[in-house]
Amino acid sequence: DIQMTQSPSTLSASVRDRVTITCRASQSISTWLAWYQQKPGKAPKLLIYKASSLQSGVPSRFSGSGSGTEFTLTISSLQPDDFASYYCQQYNSFPWTFGQGTKVEIK
Amino acid sequence: QVTLRESGPALVKPTQTLTLTCTFSGFSLSTSGMCVSWIRQPPGKALEWLARIDWDDDKYYSTSLKTRLSISKDTSKNQVVLTMTNMDPVDTATYYCARTHSVGTIDYWGQGTLVTVSS
Repeated sequence: DIQMTQSPSTLSASVRDRVTITCRASQSISTWLAWYQQKPGKAPKLLIYKASSLQSGVPSRFSGSGSGTEFTLTISSLQPDDFASYYCQQYNSFPWTFGQGTKVEIK
Repeated sequence: QVTLRESGPALVKPTQTLTLTCTFSGFSLSTSGMCVSWIRQPPGKALEWLARIDWDDDKYYSTSLKTRLSISKDTSKNQVVLTMTNMDPVDTATYYCARTHSVGTIDYWGQGTLVTVSS
């Protein structure tokens, strides 16, 4: 199985900060990577697919980059609604796997 | 408008079999490229992908759970059923079903259903 490792596990930031979350795959997954946002008690929401494609309706302050084994999710200017947990997920090969998550907290 | 809703027991005993139903609307599992996945999340922990069923009835499972899982569909009822045998307290989690595209995108999720395994 492909292992997905996110860093950091927790991130403290302020409104308007630029935030970057990293996701590393244990083997190359090309650009078959998605990012999700999850708020407490809610289902995850798709933000980014194919490493850098923005899902319809997602604010442009979210962006994704990377290929192969290293990927990043960037929030260009953190907004109050962005405090949540974020997960990466590979869909290069079965079984699909998620990272362990990154919680973005208010500083 | 795409919606999915999970249903099933909130409490199961150890060793029992769990049966969850995903009822969806706004898309059809007879459409080429359409799929439904199941994903779970233990309290306070990360997401774990469990299984996927495709429009053409292809099925894919988690490596660690494949001996315990079975996924099936009833296209006429717009339902997907997941069964998990030999339930254990470590299987306590919120179980989600989600619309999935064959290229891999998981774009719509149900609200999730919490299943507790306890005697």
